[in-house]
Amino acid sequence: GQSLEQPSEVTAVEGAIVQINCTYQTSGFYGLSWYQQHDGGAPTFLSYNALDGLEETGRFSSFLSRSDSYGYLLLQELQMKDSASYFCAVRAPISSGSARQLTFGSGTQLTVLP
Amino acid sequence: ETGVTQTPRHLVMGMTNKKSLKCEQHLGHNAMYWYKQSAKKPLELMFVYNFKEQTENNSVPSRFSPECPNSSHLFLHLHTLQPEDSALYLCASSRGGVGADYNEQFFGPGTRLTVL
Repeated sequence: GQSLEQPSEVTAVEGAIVQINCTYQTSGFYGLSWYQQHDGGAPTFLSYNALDGLEETGRFSSFLSRSDSYGYLLLQELQMKDSASYFCAVRAPISSGSARQLTFGSGTQLTVLP
Repeated sequence: ETGVTQTPRHLVMGMTNKKSLKCEQHLGHNAMYWYKQSAKKPLELMFVYNFKEQTENNSVPSRFSPECPNSSHLFLHLHTLQPEDSALYLCASSRGGVGADYNEQFFGPGTRLTVL
């Protein structure tokens, strides 16, 4: 089966940098994704890593190390609007050899303070 | 707006009621998903449809019955639910087919379901 671990809460101040870690255990692996969800809102896609290394998209970057089964989401120049839950998700076979599913972590609640 | 709509946004039902949740996507995607999100728990994948064909059913109780009449619409029929089924039910879509990227899923706003 699949399991993912990420911290439940992180707090930082405006303008700071914060890193949200995610470790995973899967039987098979096709990529690690990150989603953001504001209170009362729908999850929205942020980034995806299939290969080792850093992917940068504006203030957000995501890193993957497949040998360590580890990734992180890096948020720079934090803004109040970044307060949300952040989920890591792995794409891996769940059953019948299908690779069409994402398994999500429990989410990290990020609070940005003024 | 993500291009995925869900109705109703809120639903309160008794344990003996029958109701349906509706999802519609305007993105031209071919894969659609139902997820359950309970407080303090990960999103739980319930069903997957790819080109209108159900490809996954993650051991969901039979009181939840999905229907996918075409690639743009997805329903979740509910009957004789239990209070522990109260949760946010999210619909999502993504590109489907051989070689497509399933990682970027587009979510609807969800239906907040309360079972009394």
